Amino acid sequence: GAVVSQHPSRVICKSGTSVKIECRSLDFQATTMFWYRQFPKQSLMLMATSNEGSKATYEQGVEKDKFLINHASLTLSTLTVTSAHPEDSSFYICSARALSAGNNEQFFGPGTRLTVL
Amino acid sequence: GDSVTQMEGPVTLSEEAFLTINCTYTATGYPSLFWYVQYPGEGLQLLLKATKADDKGSNKGFEATYRKETTSFHLEKGSVQVSDSAVYFCALASGGSYIPTFGRGTSLIVHP
Repeated sequence: GAVVSQHPSRVICKSGTSVKIECRSLDFQATTMFWYRQFPKQSLMLMATSNEGSKATYEQGVEKDKFLINHASLTLSTLTVTSAHPEDSSFYICSARALSAGNNEQFFGPGTRLTVL
Repeated sequence: GDSVTQMEGPVTLSEEAFLTINCTYTATGYPSLFWYVQYPGEGLQLLLKATKADDKGSNKGFEATYRKETTSFHLEKGSVQVSDSAVYFCALASGGSYIPTFGRGTSLIVHP
């Protein structure tokens, strides 16, 4: 099946610094990638949808200047958490939708655990 | 708006026991329903899905039936294995977007 990777798997940073998380589709091209956030014992919450070569669409309540998303190629999307604070600590998960027509299935990465001290 | 409610875990079972994880939903229209599974250290994987009322999704011995009258999509397996230990997410997608709305996830622990 299709594989999506995320890097890093875990990151610890100091408050005020920026952190970049990469999401890659390893064996397929993704027209659309999605970024989710998951708090302990809670649902995955969609943060934003990004299409290759265009600006990301953010969900209501998500600060686009704080969570910068870049989808520069059909296999790579990045999420940068700018000026991170402890409340940004969370589990961030990306997913990718394949380029092939008629298949809307999303393939998920393993997630990145962000801890802001 | 759309929402999914699933039973809190963890669910702890002995090997070969019967599994049920309850899931109910609220949605406008006729959503598609999904179960995803997340094994330790891995991403979410689609386990099964159903796209209309009375459809039964099945995979790897797991089953779930789309019950419109009770707005439910309960996950069942007749005989669980240790390798089934994972977190299971119920989800729905409506409006043709195929962007799932997830439940909170239910952790399943199966002991030998």
